Amino acid sequence: SQQGEEDPQALSIQEGENATMNCSYKTSINNLQWYRQNSGRGLVHLILIRSNEREKHSGRLRVTLDTSKKSSSLLITASRAADTASYFCATDVTAAGNKLTFGGGTRVLVKP
Amino acid sequence: SAVISQKPSRDICQRGTSLTIQCQVDSQVTMMFWYRQQPGQSLTLIATANQGSEATYESGFVIDKFPISRPNLTFSTLTVSNMSPEDSSIYLCSVASQGRDTQYFGPGTRLTVL
Repeated sequence: SQQGEEDPQALSIQEGENATMNCSYKTSINNLQWYRQNSGRGLVHLILIRSNEREKHSGRLRVTLDTSKKSSSLLITASRAADTASYFCATDVTAAGNKLTFGGGTRVLVKP
Repeated sequence: SAVISQKPSRDICQRGTSLTIQCQVDSQVTMMFWYRQQPGQSLTLIATANQGSEATYESGFVIDKFPISRPNLTFSTLTVSNMSPEDSSIYLCSVASQGRDTQYFGPGTRLTVL
């Protein structure tokens, strides 16, 4: 069963707008990772946030983690058409196993 | 980050046949994994490929259906055996190094079974 649930399942925005997607999970985690997938191809690693961190930034990406609520959010600022993709959160519930459990994903469409 | 390649990138196969997918990494890595992504779905972990020993399979996946090899620290194969249309998916390998949490993915193999 999936550890994470993502919300919304799909998102359509205009270029320049911000996109926010959320991920909820069920058990305690070691870290949470966000990935992007373009058109059913390989996954691109975006950002990793550890359980003792609350917020991380990478370029136009901002990730928050609330372990009390077992949730994370990914914000893409000033979106571009090239940001059109599916975004997945993945949780690592083990300290050394590196086994990831993926959420259902959010399909983002950025219209030019 | 590691550079990962997979072969083939895609294939169309007949039911009842088997396909072996290769995953090659440009540097030695501790952990290698195989995932399946069914059409329109998220990724599900099939197994952890262990160097020099049998792979560790997740619930719902068995060695007879998905035999895995890992002869060294840079290479692994996944075989999809006795295929049926339900095996049509994208199969992805991923890698991680000990002491590093980040996991990197290959470009995937898109398999269609007729």
